[in-house]
Amino acid sequence: AQSVAQPEDQVNVAEGNPLTVKCTYSVSGNPYLFWYVQYPNRGLQFLLKYITGDNLVKGSYGFEAEFNKSQTSFHLKKPSALVSDSALYFCAVNAGNNRKLIWGLGTSLAVNP
Amino acid sequence: NAGVTQTPKFQVLKTGQSMTLQCAQDMNHEYMSWYRQDPGMGLRLIHYSVGAGITDQGEVPNGYNVSRSTTEDFPLRLLSAAPSQTSVYFCASSYSTGVPRTDTQYFGPGTRLTVL
Repeated sequence: AQSVAQPEDQVNVAEGNPLTVKCTYSVSGNPYLFWYVQYPNRGLQFLLKYITGDNLVKGSYGFEAEFNKSQTSFHLKKPSALVSDSALYFCAVNAGNNRKLIWGLGTSLAVNP
Repeated sequence: NAGVTQTPKFQVLKTGQSMTLQCAQDMNHEYMSWYRQDPGMGLRLIHYSVGAGITDQGEVPNGYNVSRSTTEDFPLRLLSAAPSQTSVYFCASSYSTGVPRTDTQYFGPGTRLTVL
């Protein structure tokens, strides 16, 4: 069965510091991995995805994520956090013949001034 | 493009009432879906559609009906509302219907539903 885990419910970081939001997955076959962000009282917005190729994926708003096949991880990173990055972040995975994305439970990121 | 639109933004129902949540997209996307978002449970797929006239169940379909008569519209009907259906509902669409799912999903702003 496919699954995705976001081991941290909440991440706190000071503005200007690097941030990491963790995601690990379990699938049969090649994984296709996504990060979405949800700002308060808004719908989800796409940040980035890994389909194939370079393991380091760059996305919107200065975010990037590294696909690590051996550790089955796809952690989201940003070199310097902004207060405006405070939001709920979701990791999702799909593989094989499944039409349904599998979603993590979300990680709440708080960036403190 | 307006993207994905949802109406209403807020709704309060009494137990047993029925209603329809509207979803429309103007991007000519074939794939559309409905999710509910509950605290601590993330996003759960209710129903999805891979094109006009084609719908299928997701993880939590009970108590909900959908239809897809046009490419643009994908309404979600609550047949007899229950307090357990209090949630935030999101509609999403994407261009491709292929598997595996590799394309970006576009989400509407959501409908916050309370069932008393």
